[in-house]
Amino acid sequence: KQEVTQIPAALSVPEGENLVLNCSFTDSAIYNLQWFRQDPGKGLTSLLLIQSSQREQTSGRLNASLDKSSGRSTLYIAASQPGDSATYLCAVIHYGQNFVFGPGTRLSVLP
Amino acid sequence: DAGITQSPRYKITETGRQVTLMCHQTWSHSYMFWYRQDLGHGLRLIYYSAAADITDKGEVPDGYVVSRSKTENFPLTLESATRSQTSVYFCASLITGTGDYGYTFGSGTRLTVV
Repeated sequence: KQEVTQIPAALSVPEGENLVLNCSFTDSAIYNLQWFRQDPGKGLTSLLLIQSSQREQTSGRLNASLDKSSGRSTLYIAASQPGDSATYLCAVIHYGQNFVFGPGTRLSVLP
Repeated sequence: DAGITQSPRYKITETGRQVTLMCHQTWSHSYMFWYRQDLGHGLRLIYYSAAADITDKGEVPDGYVVSRSKTENFPLTLESATRSQTSVYFCASLITGTGDYGYTFGSGTRLTVV
């Protein structure tokens, strides 16, 4: 059974810092991995989708990498801003099956 | 607006009542899902549907019923609501184009059972 963990569970940083969020999964035979952002009381917004054949994806200040063999993905946020404060979730999917979500990392960026 | 629409956004109901949460997508995505999100448990899959008239149980299906008579709609019914079903419910659809195999979520329904 696929298990997904995220470290750290919570993170508080001053504005402007570069930071890394980690996602680990136990079964490396995944199809895709997706990073989401969730603001309090809101739904999940997709940030980046990494296909299993890719090593990384970039969108603006966000960069996500994927190392299937080690069962890891990292989300790098450059020059963090208070507006980045949210919970970040990673999810992995095996083809034809459902996503398995991690518990999330709660990020606070202090002005 | 294109996307996934959930209704209502907030609902308070009494124990034992039947309540239906609605989910509508403006695309024609085959797969649709219902999740519940609770503190300490994260997102848990309730039911999913691979196509119209095809549904299957997820991790926590007890007490819930779904139907999918049309591709764009996927309602979730709590047959006899219990306090343990107080949660935030999210509907999602799955994009299954080549390589772009990822989720889109609705804004959620916050359900309180009193």
